[in-house]
Amino acid sequence: QQQVRQSPQSLTVWEGETAILNCSYEDSTFNYFPWYQQFPGEGPALLISISSVSDKKEDGRFTIFFNKREKKLSLHITDSQPGDSATYFCAASDKTGFASALTFGSGTKVIVLP
Amino acid sequence: NSKVIQTPRYLVKGQGQKAKMRCIPEKGHPVVFWYQQNKNNEFKFLINFQNQEVLQQIDMTEKRFSAECPSNSPCSLEIQSSEAGDSALYLCASRPGQTNTEVFFGKGTRLTVV
Repeated sequence: QQQVRQSPQSLTVWEGETAILNCSYEDSTFNYFPWYQQFPGEGPALLISISSVSDKKEDGRFTIFFNKREKKLSLHITDSQPGDSATYFCAASDKTGFASALTFGSGTKVIVLP
Repeated sequence: NSKVIQTPRYLVKGQGQKAKMRCIPEKGHPVVFWYQQNKNNEFKFLINFQNQEVLQQIDMTEKRFSAECPSNSPCSLEIQSSEAGDSALYLCASRPGQTNTEVFFGKGTRLTVV
């Protein structure tokens, strides 16, 4: 059972455009949602995160929009740069404590063309 | 930037051999996670520790893996008898001991079982 879903599987945008990555989840106990950026051959790097008490979180060119009622969130990458080309993972964890494991989506591969 | 250190970066083992990888979590992070990321980018939670104690582990880990996080020594994950299906990127992550705080990953150990 896939509890965190991501779409699209891959996305190509031109430099300067906004890339929109989608994520949805099923478990209503999830309350913390980090996004990770991963380059080939590297581990995932934390990009930005949001908790369920917020509906928006911004950090530079990266913004998370969160809709708790619909169990959906999205990551917007504005003014996309070729260096943003990577795979992005949405993850979630629940209220059982700080030791609870993250559940990951299957990732969205983003290609930014110059 | 993550300060989780994993060694070795690459590991090649024959089927049936033991495969051991190590992780030094970020200083002051009492919670350590191990994940397996397969070639399809799917993450599988393996085991987590709080200080030296195992908190959760999946059935596969319990049966075929040996893991520990001794005090004042690196954490380790060892596959007792490697199988072809174990070829994957093994990721170590650590987290401060507070709810809803970030999880930081190392660069991973790429295991290839030939």
